[in-house]
Parts: sequence; C-alpha cells; structure tokens
Amino acid sequence: DAGITQSPRHKVTETGTPVTLRCHQTENHRYMYWYRQDPGHGLRLIHYSYGVKDTDKGEVSDGYSVSRSKTEDFLLTLESATSSQTSVYFCAISGDGYSYEQYFGPGTRLTVT
Amino acid sequence: GENVEQHPSTLSVQEGDSAVIKCTYSDSASNYFPWYKQELGKRPQLIIDIRSNVGEKKDQRIAVTLNKTAKHFSLHITETQPEDSAVYFCAATFNAGGTSYGKLTFGQGTILTVHP
Repeated sequence: DAGITQSPRHKVTETGTPVTLRCHQTENHRYMYWYRQDPGHGLRLIHYSYGVKDTDKGEVSDGYSVSRSKTEDFLLTLESATSSQTSVYFCAISGDGYSYEQYFGPGTRLTVT
Repeated sequence: GENVEQHPSTLSVQEGDSAVIKCTYSDSASNYFPWYKQELGKRPQLIIDIRSNVGEKKDQRIAVTLNKTAKHFSLHITETQPEDSAVYFCAATFNAGGTSYGKLTFGQGTILTVHP
C-alpha cells in the first residue's frame, strides 16, 4: 500500500459537533482527494486538492470544508455533523495530472448519532 | 457532471468461469478508466486501468476493453477463483470543462461472488 494513513480510523460523534479527519501521505504526491462511500452510491468525491492551499469542491461538498497547508496533510472538516454524514471516508492520492493513478488510504468510519 | 453506470450490481459465477462487468460513461472528454477491487472492510485497490488511446489491456487473468465511440468499457476476469470474490468498481475521469486534476467518478459497484 502507498504511504497513506488516515486518522482517526473510527469515530462516533453527536449531531451538531465539529469533526476533523486527517489524511497523511509520505509519497510527496501533488493531488489528494476525499471521498465518501455509502451503500448503493459507490465512492463520491467530496473535495480535492491540486497543491498546497489549492483546493476545490467535488460532487458532494455541502457541509464539508478542507484545508491543505502542507503537501503531506489534507484535512476534512465537518463543521456541524449531521446523521446524513454517517459514512466511510476515504482519502486518495495521485502523483500527477497525467498518470491519474489514485491510491486509497485505509478509511475512516464515522458515525453521527 | 460525469455519470458512470455499472452493471450488473451482483454477479455470481462458478470457480473457473469468466466474469464480465460493464460500465458506460457520459463525458466524451474522459480519458482514463481505472478498475478497483474492494474486499470487505478494506480500501479500494487499483487492479487495472486503461487510457483513451488504448483499446484493450491485459494483466494475467484480468483484462479491460474500451470502446470510445460507444462510451463503454468492460472488465473481464478469466479462470475465476474464490479469492476474486469482492466488490469491483469502475471509474472515469471527468473534466467539467477544464483541467480534470484526475478527478474520478465511480460506478455503483458490482458484488462478485465466486463459488468453489
């Protein structure tokens, strides 16, 4: 597996609380992505980054924000968690815009009660 | 945005048989099509990919074919084994009118079960 870690791996939180998930890579890859995975929906892109401080929205970005202050870390924040954000969250990395090969982190299972 | 449809949603085969999973995409600018295998509780793993300038690619028992005109691509697994049982996802890059930055749209997944 590529050098990607996610923390925490499991989290249970209450509705309305802020939550931050961390993705850390040791591959020095430029591109990083956050996906959520729900039954029947496959993987859906939340936000992505194409460089330090360069981020943009994916197809399901409402209720989420991201930050990337250094190459190795990409943070996903749920400002006020809702039950609909209960999901498995995967981070992925890619080396450059041509090769496109994405490698996934181990995932974070988030439950919002 | 890009839309990727994947069929079938479930596929059951006997060990040694072949399995075929098909996907269609909507964005004619898509130029990269990976396939991922995900075992229960694990991360998706890239197993094979194809770019738009290639029609077919093989890697041992797995192959992918691409028909750009029809905008569909398929995963073929031959001589299936029980350890091939997993969820398989297709994906395609989408452009949204600008640089893709490698953004992927995924199909809904196919649960493949290989019976011994």
